[in-house]
Amino acid sequence: EAAVTQSPRNKVTVTGGNVTLSCRQTNSHNYMYWYRQDTGHGLRLIHYSYGAGNLQIGDVPDGYKATRTTQEDFFLLLELASPSQTSLYFCASSDPGTGGHSDYTFGSGTRLLVI
Amino acid sequence: QQKVQQSPESLIVPEGGMASLNCTSSDRNVDYFWWYRQHSGKSPKMLMSIFSNGEKEEGRFTVHLNKASLHTSLHIRDSQPSDSALYLCAARGGNYKYVFGAGTRLKVIA
Repeated sequence: EAAVTQSPRNKVTVTGGNVTLSCRQTNSHNYMYWYRQDTGHGLRLIHYSYGAGNLQIGDVPDGYKATRTTQEDFFLLLELASPSQTSLYFCASSDPGTGGHSDYTFGSGTRLLVI
Repeated sequence: QQKVQQSPESLIVPEGGMASLNCTSSDRNVDYFWWYRQHSGKSPKMLMSIFSNGEKEEGRFTVHLNKASLHTSLHIRDSQPSDSALYLCAARGGNYKYVFGAGTRLKVIA
């Protein structure tokens, strides 16, 4: 079954630490996205990509880097983590090329705590 | 920057009642809307999508869209306790970028 798998499910790090969140999709989708979810803000787009090697800036990119190494794999990097980055992170994939209005498939989320 | 506004922030309805949720985009380029449902501790799951003016019904769920005002609404009839969740509206603008609203938290009480 097509899916989006995120790892780790939970992560605790210290302020200033390095964190890498991983996402793999088996949907054969071109587009992949990283969102953060905070109470009162819904889902906010950090970065997205429409293919291996491509990266597009989202709405809240500060403090985050991302890399799309293959069609399946999309990584989110926090190189100097701050408490403001404590959040629930979701990865998603979609393929608007197939009809132009593909739904999102979300991963199960990664809960990050920066202390 | 495109914004998607949802109202109300929270809603309580009795079991068997009607829940009505609203969503408006500020981007004139938006061409597609989705409604997602997110149960506590879970990831969002797509409920319905709409891109044409008018109404679309699937079971107990009905979605309306007014493209002129960029307003969509979701109506849940015969609400059940299992419908209690965060409901997120998403709008697609340029570059296939989807923007989500902050959500409406629905609670259905028995």
